[in-house]
Amino acid sequence: GQSLEQPSEVTAVEGAIVQINCTYQTSGFYGLSWYQQHDGGAPTFLSYNGLDGLEETGRFSSFLSRSDSYGYLLLQELQMKDSASYFCAVLNQAGTALIFGKGTTLSVSS
Amino acid sequence: DGGITQSPKYLFRKEGQNVTLSCEQNLNHDAMYWYRQDPGQGLRLIYYSQIVNDFQKGDIAEGYSVSREKKESFPLTVTSAQKNPTAFYLCASRGQGTPGTQYFGPGTRLLVL
Repeated sequence: GQSLEQPSEVTAVEGAIVQINCTYQTSGFYGLSWYQQHDGGAPTFLSYNGLDGLEETGRFSSFLSRSDSYGYLLLQELQMKDSASYFCAVLNQAGTALIFGKGTTLSVSS
Repeated sequence: DGGITQSPKYLFRKEGQNVTLSCEQNLNHDAMYWYRQDPGQGLRLIYYSQIVNDFQKGDIAEGYSVSREKKESFPLTVTSAQKNPTAFYLCASRGQGTPGTQYFGPGTRLLVL
């Protein structure tokens, strides 16, 4: 089956840069996704890496290394509103549904 | 506006009672999903459906049932066999675009009386 590992908590200050790592073990691999969830809210899609390398979207970037079964989400110029949980996810073996990690809670302080 | 709606926002269940959570989407997506989230935990897959009249069990399907009679609707029933139903339930859908992209509804919080 699919399994993902990511740190449970990360803390940082406004304006800083933070990296959230994700390692995975999968039977079949279709790419790595990242989602953000604010407390009490619904997860929202941030990024998807189907191939190795860096994808940049504004202050957020995501990286994938398929040979290392590893990816990360990089958040730059942190703002208080970035305080949330961040989940990495991979598709199941059939490629039909996302399987999520347990999430990383990011706390940004002033 | 296109999106996913879930109702109710809060639902209370009595012991031995079946309850049904609603999920409707107007995104014209073929695939729909149900996830359960417990405090401090990730999302665990309950059931999913790739097309109308077809659905598959996820990792934690025991105690739950679903139907997919219409493309727009994917209701989840929490049966009395689910002994620990208190959780946040999230419905999602996916279209034909990026494989790793799913759109989520606002969720239903189920509490046991």
